[in-house]
Amino acid sequence: EVQLVESGGGLVQPGGSLRLSCAASGFTFSNYWMHWVRQAPGKGLVWVSRSNGDGSTTTYADSVKGRFTISRDNAKNTLYLQMNSLRAEDTAVYYCARDSGSYFAYWGQGTLVTVSS
Amino acid sequence: DIQMTQSPSTLSASVGDRVTITCRASQSISSWLAWYQQKPGKAPKLLIYKASSLQSGVPSRFSGSGSGTEFTLTVSSLQPDDFATYYCQHYNSYPLTFGGGTKVEIK
Repeated sequence: EVQLVESGGGLVQPGGSLRLSCAASGFTFSNYWMHWVRQAPGKGLVWVSRSNGDGSTTTYADSVKGRFTISRDNAKNTLYLQMNSLRAEDTAVYYCARDSGSYFAYWGQGTLVTVSS
Repeated sequence: DIQMTQSPSTLSASVGDRVTITCRASQSISSWLAWYQQKPGKAPKLLIYKASSLQSGVPSRFSGSGSGTEFTLTVSSLQPDDFATYYCQHYNSYPLTFGGGTKVEIK
C-alpha cells in the first residue's frame, strides 16, 4: 500500500525557515517523480515543486523560486522541502504527492505551516 | 501559465440529482486534465485523469468529458458521500495549475 506521511510543519516567524519531510512507503521511491502541493486555509490547491527520481531535475512555481528547495534521500525514502524567507502568504497545508503522469493518485495527509509573528 | 476556471463556484443539489461542473482552460490542453474530490480536512482524491478516464475504485456515477479548452465532470446521481469540493487540474505543461474549486452543497 502506498503511504506518504508529511511532517515538519509548525509556526514560524516571517523571514524564518522550515524543512518539511515526506516519508514514503509501499513503492519504489526512486522510480517516481514527487511533488509538493499546498493549500492556504479555505483556498484552492497550488502546485509548488517537483523532483525527478534521482533529484537531478527540479521545477518550482514562480512564487517560491529562489526561496524553496526540493530534495530527496532515496536511501531513506524521504522527500524534503526546505523553505526559507517565509512569508505570510506561504501559510498553508503542504501535501506531498506521487506523480502519476503529472497528476496525482497518491497524496499524503498534509502538514500545516503557519507564518506569523 | 495556463489558467483554469471552474464554474459554478458553489452548487446546491439534492441526493439523486445529476450534477455537472465545468472547467475551462485559458489555452488548449488537449486531454491533459484531472478531476479531484476533496472533503474538509482531507487530501484530494483523484477521480478522473486524461479528461475521461475513471480512476480505479471510483464509482461509475462519476464521468468526465471534453478536450481542448472545455471540460465537464458529471455525477449522474448524487449520493450523500459526494458532497464535497471538486477541483480540475491541467497537466499540459509546467507550472501545473488547478481550478478554483466547486463546492457541492446539500440543497
